[in-house]
Formats: sequence, C-alpha cells, structure tokens
Amino acid sequence: KNEVEQSPQNLTAQEGEFITINCSYSVGISALHWLQQHPGGGIVSLFMLSSGKKKHGRLIATINIQEKHSSLHITASHPRDSAVYICAVDEKNDMRFGAGTRLTVKP
Amino acid sequence: DAGVTQSPTHLIKTRGQQVTLRCSPISGHKSVSWYQQVLGQGPQFIFQYYEKEERGRGNFPDRFSARQFPNYSSELNVNALLLGDSALYLCASSWTGNYGYTFGSGTRLTVV
Repeated sequence: KNEVEQSPQNLTAQEGEFITINCSYSVGISALHWLQQHPGGGIVSLFMLSSGKKKHGRLIATINIQEKHSSLHITASHPRDSAVYICAVDEKNDMRFGAGTRLTVKP
Repeated sequence: DAGVTQSPTHLIKTRGQQVTLRCSPISGHKSVSWYQQVLGQGPQFIFQYYEKEERGRGNFPDRFSARQFPNYSSELNVNALLLGDSALYLCASSWTGNYGYTFGSGTRLTVV
C-alpha cells in the first residue's frame, strides 16, 4: 500500500466547476506539499502545509493532521488548470509522493 | 535569481552505458534531492544530500550514485543503464532539506 494515496486518479471537469482533490497519508510528517506538474514534466510547488488552511488565488489547500488527510480545492476552474496535481509529504529526510491526479478542465 | 537548473534537459543512451545528470540549486540552498519519475507514476526518492553529505537514500540499486560539490551543485550517476531506467529525473533544492523544496524542470532520460 502506498504511503501517500490520492483520489481521484483522473478528473474531468467543465470550466467554472469547483474541484476537490484528496490526499491521505499513513506516515508521520513534518509538512505536506501540493505540487502541479504540466506536460513536459516541470513541477511547481503550490502549497506547503503543516496545519490548517492556505489560500492563493483560486486555490485552497487544507490539512487535518489528526486524520492524516489533505484536500486541494480549485474554485472557478479554467482550462489552464489542466495538469497533474501531486501530493507529497516530508518524512524525516525524504519526500514521499502520491501518484498524482490528472485534471482536465474542458471549456 | 535563477531557479533550480538541471542539465541536460533530454538525453538518449544505450543499454549498458553510463549517464551523469547535473543539478544546480537555488543560491543559498544547501540541500539537493534527486527523484525518479517513471511515466504515469509519482516521483520516487533516490538521494538527498545536505552540506555535501548523503543524508538519505531511497530503494535504488548501487548502480545509482550521487555527490554534492562544495558549491552545493550535485551530480547523479547511473551505471549499466537498463531500459527501466528511462524516466524523468527531478532535482529539488532547499535550505536545509527538511522543507521548502523548489524543483527543477527535470532531465528526461531515454534508454534504448
């Protein structure tokens, strides 16, 4: 069983819809990251969380340490949000990644 | 300020050959981590270096090795390449290696 589980694996939405991507982890962590990966491979760090909630533009990330669960929300989704979203956790001296959620937003 | 830079961006090698990938961290970052991302999967941790010392190693064979230089740049070496080594190799840097990673754009290695 992967230590970092994401759901769904694939998600297709219409432009304007509210998107939620979930991440559950089974290890003790110091921080959780939400990353965005576009075709071609480059990864952009969206959020780093150790508690509570963060917001940046149309993106909101939350984490519940007790339940070992985090969510990434995208409000008013747009085709340019189409990418793979990866949840990753810091555990001691390495980072463990989920398999990613492939989001496609259709106009 | 330049971000994390990796070179080369793309590389094609033949089975059995050796390859060296390079990573320059953000100025001031002392930790560099390497990850392998096979198509369709999340990245897998290979190595972490901090202050030129290996701090962590993932579940990869001894064909994989790395080092960090006094200027904190790093090289990842893979010997005796296998077809299964074809992947995107990502480098990330941070101040201490505990949090706040910045990723490079990766080197896409194809082994034929």
